[in-house]
Amino acid sequence: GQNIDQPTEMTATEGAIVQINCTYQTSGFNGLFWYQQHAGEAPTFLSYNVLDGLEEKGRFSSFLSRSKGYSYLLLKELQMKDSASYLCAVRGTGGYNKLIFGAGTRLAVHP
Amino acid sequence: GAVVSQHPSRVICKSGTSVKIECRSLDFQATTMFWYRQFPKQSLMLMATSNEGSKATYEQGVEKDKFLINHASLTLSTLTVTSAHPEDSSFYICSAREGPRSSSYNSPLHFGNGTRLTVT
Repeated sequence: GQNIDQPTEMTATEGAIVQINCTYQTSGFNGLFWYQQHAGEAPTFLSYNVLDGLEEKGRFSSFLSRSKGYSYLLLKELQMKDSASYLCAVRGTGGYNKLIFGAGTRLAVHP
Repeated sequence: GAVVSQHPSRVICKSGTSVKIECRSLDFQATTMFWYRQFPKQSLMLMATSNEGSKATYEQGVEKDKFLINHASLTLSTLTVTSAHPEDSSFYICSAREGPRSSSYNSPLHFGNGTRLTVT
């Protein structure tokens, strides 16, 4: 079966660093994606990991450990606009490479 | 960057009527498009995979006779919610990946802006 777990909610302070964890158990693995979604809007792509290690992109970094079925998204220098839901998604090995999403983590950044 | 246009953004319809939602890839060809549904404060649930020129592949528990999908060209997929009921009220989002299926496995999905469907 497919199971992707993330914390439901997190809060953090403006300017701080926050780490959002994601664990997964899927029948196949062909990459892990992180998306940001503001309320009522479509998700926007943040990062992609398929090999173990850290991928850095500006204020956002994402880490993957395939042996542990674990990833995290690291947000640095938090800004108020970073308040959003962060979705962890795993791509399977099926024919259409479809993405299965976790429930998302709602992050609230306060002054 | 790649743009996916979804229309309408919001629709209110009466119970028993049908609603069509369009999803277009504006500057790239999409052999495959995906339709998701999202209930408030929940994540995206994959409904079906839309394939250009062939039948859609539905996820378990999704009624294919109720959610009709047509992918008539490389830039357009439509989702029709037939005989809509209040429990069908949700946020429907389409997505597409650039390029043919075999070469684009690590490309991110590009999402439309979603359609908020309210059935009264």
